[in-house]
Amino acid sequence: NAGVTQTPKFQVLKTGQSMTLQCAQDMNHNSMYWYRQDPGMGLRLIYYSASEGTTDKGEVPNGYNVSRLNKREFSLRLESAAPSQTSVYFCASSEARTSGRNEQFFGPGTRLTVL
Amino acid sequence: SQQGEEDPQALSIQEGENATMNCSYKTSINNLQWYRQNSGRGLVHLILIRSNEREKHSGRLRVTLDTSKKSSSLLITASRAADTASYFCATDAAGRRALTFGSGTRLQVQP
Repeated sequence: NAGVTQTPKFQVLKTGQSMTLQCAQDMNHNSMYWYRQDPGMGLRLIYYSASEGTTDKGEVPNGYNVSRLNKREFSLRLESAAPSQTSVYFCASSEARTSGRNEQFFGPGTRLTVL
Repeated sequence: SQQGEEDPQALSIQEGENATMNCSYKTSINNLQWYRQNSGRGLVHLILIRSNEREKHSGRLRVTLDTSKKSSSLLITASRAADTASYFCATDAAGRRALTFGSGTRLQVQP
């Protein structure tokens, strides 16, 4: 099993450009999450999905949209990138529908720079 | 705002020594989890302790939880250079649907 995979690994954007970060998990997990991690800080939740077809805002959702395409895939879209969105983005999944009951499994991250 | 705050922010020890990291949180929790992050990598789950548990062990890891003080500690015994990483606590707070992560402790184990 690959676990949680993310693409791309690195990306440089200019202000105003758009892009979609892709995430997939092969563990048949119900819940999936998108976090951002800024230097010296912990992870902040952007959006999460407790099950296929549902999405909810996290702590820092502004400037992002998500799609839970199916049970395996959860994508994060930046419609108009801003320098403040320069960060490392992590996708994670967990088995439970009510998140936090089980451990989360993380992808390797996407390092995004917005110029 | 961060639910969990780790202390210290950074810790440097010699191989073979024990490392202790602390986490404080603000609201009632269902469970508390500890994760490790190696440089440039994703987080890896280490251990979960439920609110009705006081202590849990996993290999060289020992976690305690004091719900009256809203705090937890992670002890790594007989540390190794490979333990060098950042360690994060994450809380599953009552009424919330997602984990909240602290800002982490950077541990450096000198060989």
